[in-house]
Amino acid sequence: AQSVTQLDSHVSVSEGTPVLLRCNYSSSYSPSLFWYVQHPNKGLQLLLKYTSAATLVKGINGFEAEFKKSETSFHLTKPSAHMSDAAEYFCVVSEMDSSYKLIFGSGTRLLVRP
Amino acid sequence: GAVVSQHPSWVICKSGTSVKIECRSLDFQATTMFWYRQFPKQSLMLMATSNEGSKATYEQGVEKDKFLINHASLTLSTLTVTSAHPEDSSFYICSAKEWGGSYNEQFFGPGTRLTVL
Repeated sequence: AQSVTQLDSHVSVSEGTPVLLRCNYSSSYSPSLFWYVQHPNKGLQLLLKYTSAATLVKGINGFEAEFKKSETSFHLTKPSAHMSDAAEYFCVVSEMDSSYKLIFGSGTRLLVRP
Repeated sequence: GAVVSQHPSWVICKSGTSVKIECRSLDFQATTMFWYRQFPKQSLMLMATSNEGSKATYEQGVEKDKFLINHASLTLSTLTVTSAHPEDSSFYICSAKEWGGSYNEQFFGPGTRLTVL
């Protein structure tokens, strides 16, 4: 079975500084990986997804993530944090069978200091 | 495109009553819909997978008689929490997979916050 581990429950950065949210996955095959963002009391928004094409994936709002098979990682980065980036971020892996299930990480809360 | 709505967005009910939550795909047909619950400051946990016209598949530990799921059309799935109790209070989120779409992409609704008094 697939799984993801988000290494930090909370990350705090100053506005204008880089963001790094870490995610490691466990998979027997080349997985499909996603990053979703959830603002308070709001639904989930897809930031980006990796589906075995380019290993560096660019998403919305300046976020990107790099798939590193040797490290089984899919870390999310952004060069410069904005106050509006403060939210909960989920790393997600898709099951490789026909169930289409998504397996969510535990989430990382990003705090942005002015 | 690919918008999923949920109704209601929040509901408060008395213990022992039943509550129905609707999940609709507004601009696409969804062969498969998923129901998740999310407790405060926690991640999403998949409750069940519903396929149009067939019985839902429940995850281990989820009571199918308590959480009734119906997926009667390609644009609507409903979750009914029967005989709700305070421990059922949670944020319920649905997602939908588009018929013919990317095999593993799901579109999420905004969620329904259920509070059971």
